[in-house]
Amino acid sequence: QKEVEQDPGPLSVPEGAIVSLNCTYSNSAFQYFMWYRQYSRKGPELLMYTYSSGNKEDGRFTAQVDKSSKYISLFIRDSQPSDSATYLCAMSTINTDKLIFGTGTRLQVFP
Amino acid sequence: GAVVSQHPSWVICKSGTSVKIECRSLDFQATTMFWYRQFPKQSLMLMATSNEGSKATYEQGVEKDKFLINHASLTLSTLTVTSAHPEDSSFYICSARVSSGNTIYFGEGSWLTVV
Repeated sequence: QKEVEQDPGPLSVPEGAIVSLNCTYSNSAFQYFMWYRQYSRKGPELLMYTYSSGNKEDGRFTAQVDKSSKYISLFIRDSQPSDSATYLCAMSTINTDKLIFGTGTRLQVFP
Repeated sequence: GAVVSQHPSWVICKSGTSVKIECRSLDFQATTMFWYRQFPKQSLMLMATSNEGSKATYEQGVEKDKFLINHASLTLSTLTVTSAHPEDSSFYICSARVSSGNTIYFGEGSWLTVV
């Protein structure tokens, strides 16, 4: 079993839809949770950073962490074609710098 | 957000030659930098972790003599692919951890093609 599981997609939605992206993990020691967006042939861009459980909102993006279920989510409201990219979840424990990545979910938002 | 710059963005080299890729944190100090490679439609694979002023820690299966990493200052780390072969062709990405926190930012990546 991989430490972090993420559906690779692709996920195709119409413009304006609410998108839900998810990851599950097995290591209960993970405390830091991140979502990155990666456009084709570019480096990942940090979208959201969360410590421990709870919700965090930034504009159209909301990150949720449910440590009891070992489940994290990224919601994108009012999705735009420019949101089309691969979304990677990543996480780490409190005493290491190493990020463990999901495989990434490819999102396509069509006009 | 913080800026991490990689150079070159893309490079083509002949088989057997060496290529150096630079990773710079432009507006923050980074005691720790990471090097990844990514194959098409796959996730990032951590190659090594470099700490300023000390030897890099390589992940299992990564040849340290082939992928030389130097982290000479708090804002610069370099990856040198020595005696490159076509199978080394890949997308190489660096990231840097902000010294004062836990946030990690990525560079734009460097495309290496070995012919």
